[in-house]
Amino acid sequence: QVQLVQSGAEVKKPGASVRVSCKASGYTFINYAVHWVRQAPGQRLEWLGWINPDTGDTKVSQKFRGRVTITSDTSATTSYMELSSLRSEDTAVYYCARDRAVIVGGLHVFLNCFDPWGQGTLVTVSS
Amino acid sequence: EIVLTQSPGTLSLSPGERATLSCRASHTVNSNYLAWYQQKPGQAPRLLIYGASSRATGIPDRFSGSGSGTDFTLTISRLEPEDFAVYYCQQYGSSPYTFGQGTKLEIK
Repeated sequence: QVQLVQSGAEVKKPGASVRVSCKASGYTFINYAVHWVRQAPGQRLEWLGWINPDTGDTKVSQKFRGRVTITSDTSATTSYMELSSLRSEDTAVYYCARDRAVIVGGLHVFLNCFDPWGQGTLVTVSS
Repeated sequence: EIVLTQSPGTLSLSPGERATLSCRASHTVNSNYLAWYQQKPGQAPRLLIYGASSRATGIPDRFSGSGSGTDFTLTISRLEPEDFAVYYCQQYGSSPYTFGQGTKLEIK
């Protein structure tokens, strides 16, 4: 079955960077975009960006441009999200999620909604 | 950026009752690209509805979505014990893709 398994919890100091991985299985990795979403305590879910593993194209929310880098390794069927210049407000659970693409004329068309999700990775930023 | 406002914040109902959750957008959602997710404590969200009214794979038919433009509704026709959770709407018609603040569905 389709599964996304993320790396474990991280504790970082302000100003540091963190990299979270997302290992995909059960489907053809290059056919679906991978998105990253975070959920901070008491805040609504927030979309960070996505990557097309086939082309390497990425799109990052303007709010996080310059701080978020999304990459993928097709041989490892893994996507990575790196967040730099960490501050306390970045404390959150970070999720990866596969795009809920549809197949049109044999091509996968990305919808930009998310199904399924990884289990989440807690990133704590504290001095 | 499209802001989504969900109501009510908390809905208290009993198993077997009908639940109606609302999601209102600050601007028209392009092509009715509106999704609903369910999240239980300690778990990741799960996609229920996309395209405003299409059920995701494996979702029971007691869940239905409706609406267009700026006003959308998730209806659970007859609540089962496992349906008590937090529900989020998400628009994916324009970037950045945004979420509502959630509606908590609790047992009365």
